[in-house]
Amino acid sequence: NAGVTQTPKFQVLKTGQSMTLQCAQDMNHEYMSWYRQDPGMGLRLIHYSVGAGITDQGEVPNGYNVSRSTTEDFPLRLLSAAPSQTSVYFCASKEGGQGLDEQYFGPGTRLTVT
Amino acid sequence: SQQGEEDPQALSIQEGENATMNCSYKTSINNLQWYRQNSGRGLVHLILIRSNEREKHSGRLRVTLDTSKKSSSLLITASRAADTASYFCATDNGNTGKLIFGQGTTLQVKP
Repeated sequence: NAGVTQTPKFQVLKTGQSMTLQCAQDMNHEYMSWYRQDPGMGLRLIHYSVGAGITDQGEVPNGYNVSRSTTEDFPLRLLSAAPSQTSVYFCASKEGGQGLDEQYFGPGTRLTVT
Repeated sequence: SQQGEEDPQALSIQEGENATMNCSYKTSINNLQWYRQNSGRGLVHLILIRSNEREKHSGRLRVTLDTSKKSSSLLITASRAADTASYFCATDNGNTGKLIFGQGTTLQVKP
């Protein structure tokens, strides 16, 4: 199993541009989520999904959209990039919606918005 | 807002020594998890402790949970240079899988 994969690894955007961060998992996990990590802030939840067709907002959802059309994929869209969205983005997945399962993290996408 | 606060923010020890990291949180929880992050990499799950458990062991790791004080500690015994990483606690307060992370402790183990 490849686990959780993310593309791209690095991205530079200009203010106002849009882009999609890709996330895929091959473990048939129901639950997937996106976090951002800023220096000294730990990880903060952006959006999450408990299954195909179901998404919900996390702690910091503004400026981001998600969709979950398949179990495997959970893309994160930046609608109009802003410098405040410069961060490292992590996708994670776990087996079910219950909290007793460990989460598996992807390697991250480092995004810079100029 | 961050749920957890970790202490210390940074810790430097010699190989073979024990390392203790503390995590405090604000609201009631269903479980608390600890993750490790090596520089430039994703997070790796270390251990999960349920709210009705007080202590859990996994290899050289020992986690305690005190729900009355809303705090947890992670002890790494006989540390190795390979333990150099950042360590994060994360709480789940509704069995929803929505983890809320602390700011992390950066551990350096000198050979």
